[in-house]
Amino acid sequence: ETGVTQSPTHLIKTRGQQVTLRCSSQSGHNTVSWYQQALGQGPQFIFQYYREEENGRGNFPPRFSGLQFPNYSSELNVNALELDDSALYLCASSLSGGASVGEAFFGQGTRLTVV
Amino acid sequence: DAKTTQPPSMDCAEGRAANLPCNHSTISGNEYVYWYRQIHSQGPQYIIHGLKNNETNEMASLIITEDRKSSTLILPHATLRDTAVYYCIAVPNYGGATNKLIFGTGTLLAVQP
Repeated sequence: ETGVTQSPTHLIKTRGQQVTLRCSSQSGHNTVSWYQQALGQGPQFIFQYYREEENGRGNFPPRFSGLQFPNYSSELNVNALELDDSALYLCASSLSGGASVGEAFFGQGTRLTVV
Repeated sequence: DAKTTQPPSMDCAEGRAANLPCNHSTISGNEYVYWYRQIHSQGPQYIIHGLKNNETNEMASLIITEDRKSSTLILPHATLRDTAVYYCIAVPNYGGATNKLIFGTGTLLAVQP
């Protein structure tokens, strides 16, 4: 158990719809990162939020957006869903400014299926 | 960020040591070597990290060569629960916010009974 919780665990959406995924960070962590993992691939970095601001973004289009709230929880929003958006979406919380620059705690993920 | 190379798969007998190699020949001086693993249908789990020196914790040992171009993760007594995909990642230390993790395809370790 990492203390990072994601909801929902599974979701089915229709192409063109919009989806919001949620993540509750581990207590004391101030940074949230989101990753997309397609079947058989390693997780791909989408973006990171630190102190409620986007702090780095991977190669994902603007229809992927996010928020971080004052309590450090976070949302990932995807508009105009495409079939290729079907994947496991992972949230990772970490403590920036700590001793370990690459240590993150991952949630169990949300499995999104777009039909 | 340095690219890492790992074998796609390895087998290990239960109770034996599992030695997982990683090549990171282009690693720079400020990049740490991090290891994560991902058990099927779960999120990745941090295992261990190091910069120059060998490291050991309750999960594993990390051996980094003197030139830092490669490393080996050692699970001293593998169990069936260690069956997972293991990722080796080079993470730069720029200070400030935690850095993004660039995952490759990792090594699928299959522990056999």
